[in-house]
Amino acid sequence: DAGVTQSPTHLIKTRGQQVTLRCSPKSGHDTVSWYQQALGQGPQFIFQYYEEEERQRGNFPDRFSGHQFPNYSSELNVNALLLGDSALYLCASSFGTGAYEQYFGPGTRLTVT
Amino acid sequence: AQSVTQPDIHITVSEGASLELRCNYSYGATPYLFWYVQSPGQGLQLLLKYFSGDTLVQGIKGFEAEFKRSQSSFNLRKPSVHWSDAAEYFCAVGAGSDFGNEKLTFGTGTRLTIIP
Repeated sequence: DAGVTQSPTHLIKTRGQQVTLRCSPKSGHDTVSWYQQALGQGPQFIFQYYEEEERQRGNFPDRFSGHQFPNYSSELNVNALLLGDSALYLCASSFGTGAYEQYFGPGTRLTVT
Repeated sequence: AQSVTQPDIHITVSEGASLELRCNYSYGATPYLFWYVQSPGQGLQLLLKYFSGDTLVQGIKGFEAEFKRSQSSFNLRKPSVHWSDAAEYFCAVGAGSDFGNEKLTFGTGTRLTIIP
């Protein structure tokens, strides 16, 4: 049973560029949440997708956007990258709505130079 | 708004000694509580969860946690730590089926170091 997978593992971008991160949920899960984890901090909620719609959004600017596909996989897009966007981006999957247990992928390490 | 406080940034424990990591939460209704562990450069692994019922919950790797509503706490314990337990530990609170509030809110983490 495959767990949550994310790609790429690492990414280096320049300020002002755009980036797309990808996530495949655990088998049987239909909900995907994205979190940003800055160095030395706990994960911060970005948004959650269910039934291909954004259900809830954290305190992140509109430069952060997402999408969920019919197969439940998801993408996180960040436009106009800033140095402060450098972080580990974690995808978590769960079944159905509600803040029940979420299973996390290994993350994508984004470095903005 | 929900929040989590982990008052200990870093804890050092001898191998074989007991461990307790503290977690205090703030949430207006019945919380859903979680402990996750993160090894360097890795994602988060769920150790245990509390939704309702017995306030002492058992998790993987020999960990347990106790929910104390009167103290708004959900402390993680292990009777005897192993060197492989060295990692970062995060406490999180969720709102369960509170429609429109499905996020998990995490504490800032406690880094656990094990000495021989």
